[in-house]
Amino acid sequence: AQTVTQSQPEMSVQEAETVTLSCTYDTSESNYYLFWYKQPPSRQMILVIRQEAYKQQNATENRFSVNFQKAAKSFSLKISDSQLGDTAMYFCAFMNPQGGSEKLVFGKGTKLTVNP
Amino acid sequence: NAGVTQTPKFRVLKTGQSMTLLCAQDMNHEYMYWYRQDPGMGLRLIHYSVGEGTTAKGEVPDGYNVSRLKKQNFLLGLESAAPSQTSVYFCASTTRRSGSSYNEQFFGPGTRLTVL
Repeated sequence: AQTVTQSQPEMSVQEAETVTLSCTYDTSESNYYLFWYKQPPSRQMILVIRQEAYKQQNATENRFSVNFQKAAKSFSLKISDSQLGDTAMYFCAFMNPQGGSEKLVFGKGTKLTVNP
Repeated sequence: NAGVTQTPKFRVLKTGQSMTLLCAQDMNHEYMYWYRQDPGMGLRLIHYSVGEGTTAKGEVPDGYNVSRLKKQNFLLGLESAAPSQTSVYFCASTTRRSGSSYNEQFFGPGTRLTVL
């Protein structure tokens, strides 16, 4: 079974600075998808960024980018120019397309606080 | 489009009572999921469905039952609630993947359930 590990339960960063959230995963599959979800205090789950394992290029979405290291099974999220609205729980998630269910396996999350 | 909706938003039960959580989506998605979120545990899959009339167990199915009688609805039932089922429950849906592309899972706003 696949597992996802987020080793940083809590992190904080000053507004306008850069922060990196860590995620490692365990799988024997060669093709899979990885995601970062944001959960603000409103509780709504918001997809931040996704990465297909067969793509070597790291995904970017505006201020959010990932460092995908397939051999190391690492998938970190970098947030540049942090904003107060980035304060949230961040979850790393894994999806194995084999089997056809497309279910997600989540890490335990990292609570990020952006300080003014 | 309302997206994914969940009913109710909050509920308090006494041990042994039963209840049903309703998830509805108006995006004609084939796949639907029920997750629970507990502090420090991330989101864990309870049950899922890949189509009308089909359901399958996820990571933590004990104490729950589900039904998918209509494509747009996915019901989660607790027959005899226990304090260990105190949690926030999320429903999600997505459409079947086409080729190598991935279709985002859309989440409902969550239901906070307390079992006394």
